[in-house]
Amino acid sequence: DIQLTQSPSSLSASVGDRVTITCRASQNIGTYLNWYHQKPGKAPKLLIYAASALQSGVPSRFSGSGSVTDFTLTISSLQPEDFATYYCQQSHTAPLTFGGGTKVEIK
Amino acid sequence: QVQLVQSGADVEKPGASVRISCKASGYTFIDYYIHWVRQAPGQGLEWMGWINPHSGGRNPAQKFQGRVTMTRDTSSNTAYMELRRLESADTAVYYCARGGEGYCSGDKCHSRLLFDSWGQGTLVTVSS
Repeated sequence: DIQLTQSPSSLSASVGDRVTITCRASQNIGTYLNWYHQKPGKAPKLLIYAASALQSGVPSRFSGSGSVTDFTLTISSLQPEDFATYYCQQSHTAPLTFGGGTKVEIK
Repeated sequence: QVQLVQSGADVEKPGASVRISCKASGYTFIDYYIHWVRQAPGQGLEWMGWINPHSGGRNPAQKFQGRVTMTRDTSSNTAYMELRRLESADTAVYYCARGGEGYCSGDKCHSRLLFDSWGQGTLVTVSS
């Protein structure tokens, strides 16, 4: 199975901060990497697909980059509604797998 | 708009089975995979498998093979997931999710193996 390792596991940031989360895959997954965020008690929501493509309706402050094994999600200016847990997910090979999550908290 | 509405919370005893429904609306049901993903309390996300509503073909994760059955009813645009021989470790919120469009633009693929819309989740509690 493809393992995804996210870092950090949690971070504290202020509104307006630039935030970066990384995801490392255990093998080459090309650009088959997607990002979601999840608020407490809610279902996850797709933000970025194919490593860097913005899902329809998602604000442009979210961006993704990377390929092969190393990927990054960046929030250019953190907004109050962005405090959530972020997950990466690989869509390269079944079983589909997720990273362990990064909790973004208010500083 | 795309909507996936799941059945309500359930409490089951160890060894029992649970069946969760996922009713789709706002799109052509047979054109998109339905995936099942679960989340144990305070934990991360775990993919369980997908079903292709068009063909009925399915691909359960190896961890759940022999214990999970995914089906669909195209007349009612509903997908179902049954998990058997429940144990306490199966206590979780279970989500259905729609797979992606299945197209590529250059090297950007909106893969059928991503999850672009989600149900609200169904809490299954396994307790004696």
